[in-house]
Formats: sequence, structure tokens, C-alpha cells
Amino acid sequence: NAGVTQTPKFRVLKTGQSMTLLCAQDMNHEYMYWYRQDPGMGLRLIHYSVGEGTTAKGEVPDGYNVSRLKKQNFLLGLESAAPSQTSVYFCASGDPVAYYEQYFGPGTRLTVT
Amino acid sequence: RKEVEQDPGPFNVPEGATVAFNCTYSNSASQSFFWYRQDCRKEPKLLMSVYSSGNEDGRFTAQLNRASQYISLLIRDSKLSDSATYLCVVNSFLRGGYNKLIFGAGTRLAVHP
Repeated sequence: NAGVTQTPKFRVLKTGQSMTLLCAQDMNHEYMYWYRQDPGMGLRLIHYSVGEGTTAKGEVPDGYNVSRLKKQNFLLGLESAAPSQTSVYFCASGDPVAYYEQYFGPGTRLTVT
Repeated sequence: RKEVEQDPGPFNVPEGATVAFNCTYSNSASQSFFWYRQDCRKEPKLLMSVYSSGNEDGRFTAQLNRASQYISLLIRDSKLSDSATYLCVVNSFLRGGYNKLIFGAGTRLAVHP
């Protein structure tokens, strides 16, 4: 039982490049989330999904897209990376009833130069 | 104004000390409150929920004051292993009525021998 996994763990991009972050969970959770964490700020919700095939915008969705084609996977895409997207990205999953206990992946450290 | 505000610390305390962290939240509609723990360069994990009557889990005690919109976490008999960042978390709502979590930026605790 791996819980929530994220790939890659680290990445350096040049401005304008694109990439996809992959999140996978093996707990059969309905809900999945993408957050970013920046120094001095709390985790901020980028996008979320309440079930397979559904996605919705969170607090800071600009510059990101997501897809949830399979229940266990939640992909975060950066179409044209900008230095402002330098951050640590966390994926999380959770159960609708116990929504407050979110299980996080280990994070992806992304630097955009 | 941030929705959840915490003193960033760091709180540097010796082993065995008692330390208290405070947190204020701005949304009076929030109904659920939690503390998460985040170790350095790791993912956040749920530490405990906070109930109106106050609750205790071993050396940890959480209190809620709804009138003042204030949450606290008390750690007694600090251990070296308590060194981490403690995130204050409150619930809010997404479009469609789904719950979301609002994370504070965290209070860093360093326990030394």
C-alpha cells in the first residue's frame, strides 16, 4: 500500500516549457487535490476533483490544467511555465466523509528559471 | 488579511518544556478545525481535530474559542521528535458545497536537548 505517490520528485524547467506532474493513489479515494506551498504561505488549492472525470478550479488555478481520467490518477499540467510557478507541489486524496483527513504525497519541487 | 494566521516562530524550546501555539481564523462560518504536522521537506499529516469542548491526545491538547475565532495547540513534555512545523487548518466551502481546507502558513517548533 503506497498511499499517495507523485512523480517527479524534482524538476527544473526553463520559462515557457511545459510539463505534467503525476499523482497516483491506491486508497480508492473519491477526492483528489493539487496544492502549491510557498515560503510564508499556507498550502493553496490549485485544482481539485470530486470523482473520476470531474475537475474544478481551486484558489489559484491560473496557468495550470488538470485531468482525472482514472479514479486513482490526477494529473497537473503546466502549459507554459513561468518563474512564479516555482514552488513545492503537493497532491492529496481524501474520503468525502472524512474530508478533513487528506493524505498527501511527498511533493514535487519545481524550479522555473 | 489571511484566512488563517499563525505566528511563524520558530519556537526554540528545551526537551521537557511546555509550548503553546495560537492561530486565528477570519471566516466565522468555519465549523471544523484541525492541526496538521509537517516535518522538514516532507508532506503534511493530520495531527488532531479540534473540538469545541477542547480535546487531548496524549501530550497534545487542542482548544477552540469560537467567539474569538481562535485555536490553540499545547504540547507538554516536549520531545526532540516534536520538532516540526504545525499547521492550523480550518474548513471552508467550495462551489457545490464541498468542503475544502484552508491551511495556515505554520508555526515552526525546534526542540533542543
